[in-house]
Amino acid sequence: NAGVTQTPKFQVLKTGQSMTLQCAQDMNHEYMSWYRQDPGMGLRLIHYSVGAGITDQGEVPNGYNVSRSTTEDFPLRLLSAAPSQTSVYFCASSYSGTGRSYNSPLHFGNGTRLTVT
Amino acid sequence: EDKVVQSPLSLVVHEGDTVTLNCSYEVTNFRSLLWYKQEKKAPTFLFMLTSSGIEKKSGRLSSILDKKELFSILNITATQTGDSAVYLCAVEGGNQFYFGTGTSLTVIP
Repeated sequence: NAGVTQTPKFQVLKTGQSMTLQCAQDMNHEYMSWYRQDPGMGLRLIHYSVGAGITDQGEVPNGYNVSRSTTEDFPLRLLSAAPSQTSVYFCASSYSGTGRSYNSPLHFGNGTRLTVT
Repeated sequence: EDKVVQSPLSLVVHEGDTVTLNCSYEVTNFRSLLWYKQEKKAPTFLFMLTSSGIEKKSGRLSSILDKKELFSILNITATQTGDSAVYLCAVEGGNQFYFGTGTSLTVIP
């Protein structure tokens, strides 16, 4: 059981480059989300999805795009990387999605450490 | 504005001590409060609390929620060096999970 899989584990980008962070889960979770973690700031929500075809913005969405064409995958796109996007990115999923009819915890991937120079 | 506040920010104790970590919150449409442990990698799930006054226990760890006063505590008894980590509190409100900045616990042998 792979759980939540993120790729790559590490990435270095130059300012202005674009890239996609991949996230896949094999638990049939409806809810998927992306966080960034910075020292002293905790985990901040970038975007989330309550099911295939549905996405919404979190606390810090600027500079990032997402799509959810399948239940399993939730890629995060950096459109034009900036040094302020240097961070550790976590993808997380949860069983309950649309309507959140019952409570279920978030399960996290192992993270992607991104450096933008 | 929805927010989750954890205290203390950091804690250093000796093996065998008991520690209490605090989490207070102001989150609309509260659904649940969760505790996670993070050791230099992905956060791992500890507890989910939805009802006031019901203690959740797992070995030396326990947690309780007070929905009237909007806080939760995480207790760790007989601490071990393996308990050294950042402990994160999260609150689910609506479709979002809000995280505190965490409490960094260091257990000295």
